Amino acid sequence: GAVVSQHPSWVICKSGTSVKIECRSLDFQATTMFWYRQFPKQSLMLMATSNEGSKATYEQGVEKDKFLINHASLTLSTLTVTSAHPEDSSFYICSAGTPGLAGGEGFGPGTRLLVL
Amino acid sequence: QKEVEQNSGPLSVPEGAIASLNCTYSDRVSQSFFWYRQYSGKSPELIMSIYSNGDKEDGRFTAQLNKASQYVSLLIRDSQPSDSATYLCAALNNAGNMLTFGGGTRLMVKP
Repeated sequence: GAVVSQHPSWVICKSGTSVKIECRSLDFQATTMFWYRQFPKQSLMLMATSNEGSKATYEQGVEKDKFLINHASLTLSTLTVTSAHPEDSSFYICSAGTPGLAGGEGFGPGTRLLVL
Repeated sequence: QKEVEQNSGPLSVPEGAIASLNCTYSDRVSQSFFWYRQYSGKSPELIMSIYSNGDKEDGRFTAQLNKASQYVSLLIRDSQPSDSATYLCAALNNAGNMLTFGGGTRLMVKP
């Protein structure tokens, strides 16, 4: 699948801080990237679909003003958790590539966020 | 009702045995299915994809799809302790642009 990097891999911050997570597609020009969240012992939940040059599409129940997504280029999407609170502590994973195509979807290594 | 369902486990098998992981899905129009392995603290990695009814084999892994029963399974032969992980089943939506994941089954292979 597509080769995807994420930065940072770990974030610990105080409640009220805004945290930006970067997702880069290293070998694939991604018009679409996906942001997932995974709480401990739970599966991946799609948060939003990031579209290059246009607004992200958010899944039901995900606050778009809380989780700001910017996909300004074909290789970079960012997720900003605004005014993070302890309940936002989770494992955030992005992916690039089109599911089902040869090579398929590549996942980033994930960003673990801990909000104190 | 969840769109993709899996037994959360843990499923415990002895080393060398066959591990059988099951998944059901509710959207009849789904055509493509994927099995991912996820080690603790890591992101998922794709193991197998299957699109047609029947079996698909790749090394020690065999994926099985039964669209009439809306059922997908993954068999792991000669299970190794390194296979211990959470296995996620995913279905691709009809538009082909979104994966829906099951809750995952935790597999433990005991030496």
